[in-house]
Amino acid sequence: NAGVMQNPRHLVRRRGQEARLRCSPMKGHSHVYWYRQLPEEGLKFMVYLQKENIIDESGMPKERFSAEFPKEGPSILRIQQVVRGDSAAYFCASSSQIGDGYTFGSGTRLTVV
Amino acid sequence: QQQVKQSPQSLIVQKGGISIINCAYENTAFDYFPWYQQFPGKGPALLIAIRPDVSEKKEGRFTISFNKSAKQFSLHIMDSQPGDSATYFCAANKGSSNTGKLIFGQGTTLQVKP
Repeated sequence: NAGVMQNPRHLVRRRGQEARLRCSPMKGHSHVYWYRQLPEEGLKFMVYLQKENIIDESGMPKERFSAEFPKEGPSILRIQQVVRGDSAAYFCASSSQIGDGYTFGSGTRLTVV
Repeated sequence: QQQVKQSPQSLIVQKGGISIINCAYENTAFDYFPWYQQFPGKGPALLIAIRPDVSEKKEGRFTISFNKSAKQFSLHIMDSQPGDSATYFCAANKGSSNTGKLIFGQGTTLQVKP
């Protein structure tokens, strides 16, 4: 039973490009959460999704960021027109119940140059 | 009200010693308090968690102490080992809400010296 799979592990983008981060939850988990971790800081909640639904996006920046969790396939976090300040580690977590027993992936480290 | 404040920011302990990390919260609606351990280049891993109906929970060398009236909880690592060197995060969540959002502390970097 594979854990939460995130890819790519490392992503380098030039300013203005788009970044697409993928997350496949653990088998049987229907709740997906995205968090951002800036250097030397804790994790900040971004968005909570269930299949085909965004439940809570209170932590998402209003512009350039979007997330989806389609019926088939992984959850995607998309960042359009990236800026240097978007450089961070982005972690996905999944659970079988709301807010309990999270399992995190190993993260995608985004570097904007 | 949504913050969780964690201290210290960093901690150095000798092998065999006790590591203590503290967290404080404001929102009395929080009812789930997990601790996560993160190694460099890895995602956080759930270590131990507590709900406010108990004042202490122990799993092996790891113990959470919970003080509901003071709105504080702490992680104690007994007989600390070099392999425990990692970053530790406390978190809190309102389990009865319709969202699984965890509010994380700022993290504590623990170094256990041999």
